[in-house]
Amino acid sequence: QVQLQESGPGLVKPSQTLSLTCTVSGGSISSGGYYWSWIRQHPGKGLEWIGYIYYSGSTYYNPSLKSRVTISVDTSKNQFSLKLSSVTAADTAVYYCARGYGPTGAYFDYWGQGTLVTVSS
Amino acid sequence: EIVMTQSPATLSVSPGERATLSCRASQSVSSNLAWYQQKPGQAPRLLIYGASTRATGIPARFSGSGSGTEFTLTISSLQSEDFAVYYCQQYNNWPPSWTFGQGTKVEIK
Repeated sequence: QVQLQESGPGLVKPSQTLSLTCTVSGGSISSGGYYWSWIRQHPGKGLEWIGYIYYSGSTYYNPSLKSRVTISVDTSKNQFSLKLSSVTAADTAVYYCARGYGPTGAYFDYWGQGTLVTVSS
Repeated sequence: EIVMTQSPATLSVSPGERATLSCRASQSVSSNLAWYQQKPGQAPRLLIYGASTRATGIPARFSGSGSGTEFTLTISSLQSEDFAVYYCQQYNNWPPSWTFGQGTKVEIK
């Protein structure tokens, strides 16, 4: 059974960089075949796909966030990470990591429990 | 950006009744559509992909239909555990810019 777990600071100051890590267990990122995504949910709102990474390191980002997002992978630790720079209060959200399934990793069959990140001074 | 619009925002249904949820895309997404269920304090759970294929372990009372711009999720006989928020998601565009609907809350009538 694949499990994902987000970790990182729950509070980030405006203009700083949000950094989160997702640790995957029960399956190896480097085995390929899946794409590893970050998705966020603003309080009481819908879902927003942030971007994904493949085990090879190739990435795609949501165009609306592309200038501020970096996703990286550490296959030795079976982890992938999110960095979001220049954050504002609008980046306050629950951040989920998820496994993308299908030919382009476009639908998400395993999710982490989510972690709330608040942007505030 | 492809905008996904779900209706209604809230659906009040009695246990055992059928629930029909709609999702409309601002442009054709072919059959590249997924549905998720989310309960309070939990991550979303994948129900349907490819517009009509149930994900592993999803009960047969959940069914999806549609293509192009109009999609439907049907829950044939609502169980107590089905009261939740449901989201549709399109994944038609490339490079990816996948988008979700705003959700439909299914509540007990």
